[in-house]
Amino acid sequence: ETGVTQTPRHLVMGMTNKKSLKCEQHLGHNAMYWYKQSAKKPLELMFVYSLEERVENNSVPSRFSPECPNSSHLFLHLHTLQPEDSALYLCASSQGRVGYGYTFGSGTRLTVV
Amino acid sequence: RKEVEQDPGPFNVPEGATVAFNCTYSNSASQSFFWYRQDCRKEPKLLMSVYSSGNEDGRFTAQLNRASQYISLLIRDSKLSDSATYLCVVNPISNFGNEKLTFGTGTRLTIIP
Repeated sequence: ETGVTQTPRHLVMGMTNKKSLKCEQHLGHNAMYWYKQSAKKPLELMFVYSLEERVENNSVPSRFSPECPNSSHLFLHLHTLQPEDSALYLCASSQGRVGYGYTFGSGTRLTVV
Repeated sequence: RKEVEQDPGPFNVPEGATVAFNCTYSNSASQSFFWYRQDCRKEPKLLMSVYSSGNEDGRFTAQLNRASQYISLLIRDSKLSDSATYLCVVNPISNFGNEKLTFGTGTRLTIIP
């Protein structure tokens, strides 16, 4: 496996469900990110982890809970979501240095019903 | 003022034509700049970094004007495969030494046969 892998690719969940999104990077990067992409809006930064420490929480509701057990894995735990949370959730990783950009995973398309 | 502003388009351009996009950013202290490409229902992929001296990669040329705080992307001899959304991306500050990228909403380009 190379690059950044996200699972599942698609997820439909009810408002009372609990689910988790998984991200794994095979690039030896030391920073990982969760972004949300909604229709006709720019990508919104949700969380940043650097060397497994959360360095940013961008005013995200507590129904989204990230976890970074090591520098290669990142999870986003979801519970009691709202229909407006339906979006594409993208994981990314970076070398942790300015000027190198990110590598994104293929995303999880989430629908909350 | 938005942190990163792009014309959403759509730009409908005949095959073989030259097309240019501009993007403006609000933070004069911004450190790194990129163009990403996003195909429909796929993740963003790094197209090219943008350097102060300007840079070229095949048919693609990127320019940065720090004084006016804008970035441009020029595509020459456009191909059908260039149809995508082009995202202007800026790192407004260095946060713990990591990239923390801010994305524009994207410019939709369609190349017409």
